[in-house]
Amino acid sequence: QSALTQPASVSGSPGQSITISCTGTSSDVGGYNYVSWYQQHPGKAPKLMIYDVSNRPSGVSNRFSGSKSGNTASLTISGLQAEDEADYYCSSYTSSSTLLFGGGTKLTVL
Amino acid sequence: EVQLVESGGGLVQPGGSLRLSCAASGFTFSSYWMHWVRQAPGKGLVWVSRINSDGSSTSYADSVKGRFTISRDNAKNTLYLQMNSLRAEDTAVYYCARDRDGMDVWGQGTTVTVSS
Repeated sequence: QSALTQPASVSGSPGQSITISCTGTSSDVGGYNYVSWYQQHPGKAPKLMIYDVSNRPSGVSNRFSGSKSGNTASLTISGLQAEDEADYYCSSYTSSSTLLFGGGTKLTVL
Repeated sequence: EVQLVESGGGLVQPGGSLRLSCAASGFTFSSYWMHWVRQAPGKGLVWVSRINSDGSSTSYADSVKGRFTISRDNAKNTLYLQMNSLRAEDTAVYYCARDRDGMDVWGQGTTVTVSS
């Protein structure tokens, strides 16, 4: 059960857009539309930002969007704001009926 | 207010046991699958285990299978994680989370430290 692959870090300036990738296999990301994305600020619990690949929970800004192509899912944040600076994690359901997280991506807003 | 509150963490020696609890309030606990997720110091999130709404089905990460047991008491609105044969690498903050189209509600976490 290796973690899904995410870039260790990404950065962008306020107002710009960034995309974080999450690469798995056909046994997880590619095989199911059960990819979620979580935001975690230091010392805080994670917060659900996207579920089922591209759906936003109530209350989450529409600046956050998700997509998937093959074995890779992506989280895009548009109109970057200082408050978006955080760690982001993807997760996916797997063929073993387990869940898998990505290694996490640190977003820096320059 | 929908809330999850973990408890039971602490310092334990290698090989020891600990039982974590997660008290749910503000929603119909018995209707939801639940998860345990952990985060080692300075590291990423790692899924540990999940249980279905009535407790009849469970699943575990390979790293804890055979050592950890997830359970729930729907009458007490409480989720549990029994952790046996603890190792140094089990040191982490342990979060419980509700499953509703992703993990939509999380507790604040409880810290488990395995050290002699």
